[in-house]
Amino acid sequence: DAGVIQSPRHEVTEMGQEVTLRCKPISGHDYLFWYRQTMMRGLELLIYFNNNVPIDDSGMPEDRFSAKMPNASFSTLKIQPSEPRDSAVYFCASTSTGAGANVLTFGAGSRLTVL
Amino acid sequence: SQELEQSPQSLIVQEGKNLTINCTSSKTLYGLYWYKQKYGEGLIFLMMLQKGGEEKSHEKITAKLDEKKQQSSLHITASQPSHAGIYLCGPNPGYALNFGKGTSLLVTP
Repeated sequence: DAGVIQSPRHEVTEMGQEVTLRCKPISGHDYLFWYRQTMMRGLELLIYFNNNVPIDDSGMPEDRFSAKMPNASFSTLKIQPSEPRDSAVYFCASTSTGAGANVLTFGAGSRLTVL
Repeated sequence: SQELEQSPQSLIVQEGKNLTINCTSSKTLYGLYWYKQKYGEGLIFLMMLQKGGEEKSHEKITAKLDEKKQQSSLHITASQPSHAGIYLCGPNPGYALNFGKGTSLLVTP
């Protein structure tokens, strides 16, 4: 398996633009998580899905952020409009409860810079 | 709020020295996971602890969870340059808590 695939790896955009981050989880994993990492706040959980259904989105900062999982192999995190304070590394991770361990497999991250 | 507190924030040790990283929770943990991150990369799973008093080792890294399941430590024996990176403690993902902020480790020759 190629692991969790995220794209783009780097994104530089201007304030006010829409940003879409993409994630392909490991095949067979039924949980998908979106995290945001900054120096100040560390690794924060934004939202997670189980079987494509959002379970907890209490970490989503505000209405400018939205996430979808239209099928088991694809998820998006959208920011509209983007602001400089959204600059961070966004990670996607997946796991399978079937294995019992809930060990997360992380993607390499998408580094977002909003100017 | 940040549920997991890590200390120290950063650590510089000489190669061959031992070191310990701590992770404290304000709530009882239902599983505590240690991950390692290299700059510009994702997190890699190291170890998982679930039972109070549990201790696990892998090569030169030992992780422990206290009896109350609110504090964990990660100990590296005879550190090597390959141990450098950021170590993060994280909760059972099903409980939707945040990770610790991480401990940045630098190993000098």
